[in-house]
Amino acid sequence: NAGVTQTPKFRVLKTGQSMTLLCAQDMNHEYMYWYRQDPGMGLRLIHYSVGEGTTAKGEVPDGYNVSRLKKQNFLLGLESAAPSQTSVYFCASRDNTDTQYFGPGTRLTVL
Amino acid sequence: DQQVKQNSPSLSVQEGRISILNCDYTNSMFDYFLWYKKYPAEGPTFLISISSIKDKNEDGRFTVFLNKSAKHLSLHIVPSQPGDSAVYFCAASYVTGTASKLTFGTGTRLQVTL
Repeated sequence: NAGVTQTPKFRVLKTGQSMTLLCAQDMNHEYMYWYRQDPGMGLRLIHYSVGEGTTAKGEVPDGYNVSRLKKQNFLLGLESAAPSQTSVYFCASRDNTDTQYFGPGTRLTVL
Repeated sequence: DQQVKQNSPSLSVQEGRISILNCDYTNSMFDYFLWYKKYPAEGPTFLISISSIKDKNEDGRFTVFLNKSAKHLSLHIVPSQPGDSAVYFCAASYVTGTASKLTFGTGTRLQVTL
């Protein structure tokens, strides 16, 4: 039982490049979330999903897109990376008690 | 607008003593509160939670207290151990539309010294 996994762990992009971050969970959770964490700030919600085929915007959605084609996977895409998107990205899934379980994070640097 | 605030960015406590981490919130709609612990280069891990219908919840060395009238919660760790050294995030949630979403504080770095 791996819980929540994220790939890749690290990535360096040039401004304007695109990439996709993959999140996978094996707990059969309906709800999944993408956050970013920046120095001196708490985790901020980018997008979330309440089930397969659904997505919704969070607090800081601009510059990101998401897809939830399969229940166990939640993808976060950056179409044209900007230095302001340098951050650590965390994926989470939620159980029935409203508790979220987090992946190990992806450290992204945009030059 | 920071709806969940952790006003102490860091805290240092001796091993064996009590650690008290504080959190304040402004949104009276929040009805579920959680504490997460985070080690460097790892994701946050769930520690303990409390529903707004309670004022205390215990789990081993960890106790969370909720004062709804003051919009304040605290996490007590007794006794503190060196392995407790980490960043602690307070989070709060309420159901909006079709999903509940967590709002996080900025974290408190706890260092437990020998």
